Amino acid sequence: EAGVAQSPRYKIIEKRQSVAFWCNPISGHATLYWYQQILGQGPKLLIQFQNNGVVDDSQLPKDRFSAERLKGVDSTLKIQPAKLEDSAVYLCASSSSRTGGTDTQYFGPGTRLTVL
Amino acid sequence: DQQVKQNSPSLSVQEGRISILNCDYTNSMFDYFLWYKKYPAEGPTFLISISSIKDKNEDGRFTVFLNKSAKHLSLHIVPSQPGDSAVYFCAASVGVWGNTPLVFGKGTRLSVIA
Repeated sequence: EAGVAQSPRYKIIEKRQSVAFWCNPISGHATLYWYQQILGQGPKLLIQFQNNGVVDDSQLPKDRFSAERLKGVDSTLKIQPAKLEDSAVYLCASSSSRTGGTDTQYFGPGTRLTVL
Repeated sequence: DQQVKQNSPSLSVQEGRISILNCDYTNSMFDYFLWYKKYPAEGPTFLISISSIKDKNEDGRFTVFLNKSAKHLSLHIVPSQPGDSAVYFCAASVGVWGNTPLVFGKGTRLSVIA
């Protein structure tokens, strides 16, 4: 079974530019998560989808971050415009739980974003 | 406000000995706890979990202990192997089937010395 795929693996941009990340979850997984992991910290949830609906986006900085999950499969996370403090690893995870929540989450390798 | 705390940033253990990683939490509503392991340039991988109705869960060399009254859990690895060298994250949530996200600690870097 293929794991969670993410691209790109690395991205370097200048502040005020925009950037987008892509995630393809494990086939059949209804729940998809985006986490932000700043250096030296644990992952912090940005947004959680159940199929193509948003379950929790309370920690997503909506003035600059947006995410969508079309057709309940792939997802994209966008930052526009980027700030220096957005430098982090962005992790995508998926789980099979059809009720959302804490069924085992499987993580992708992450995208390391550096904002200069 | 850190709801999940891993107070030891790093730990070094000799191969073959026991590794004990600790985690404390402040939110008394948490009732499901997990440990994830992370190698460099990879995403975290699930290791073991425990629900609040238990005080111990074992899987091979890995055992997680939960002390609800102390709001403390620990991961024991016996015997430790060089391949166990990684960053270990403790995570917690409210409800196994709820819609609340995982809350992670900052991680503990384990180095197993051959």
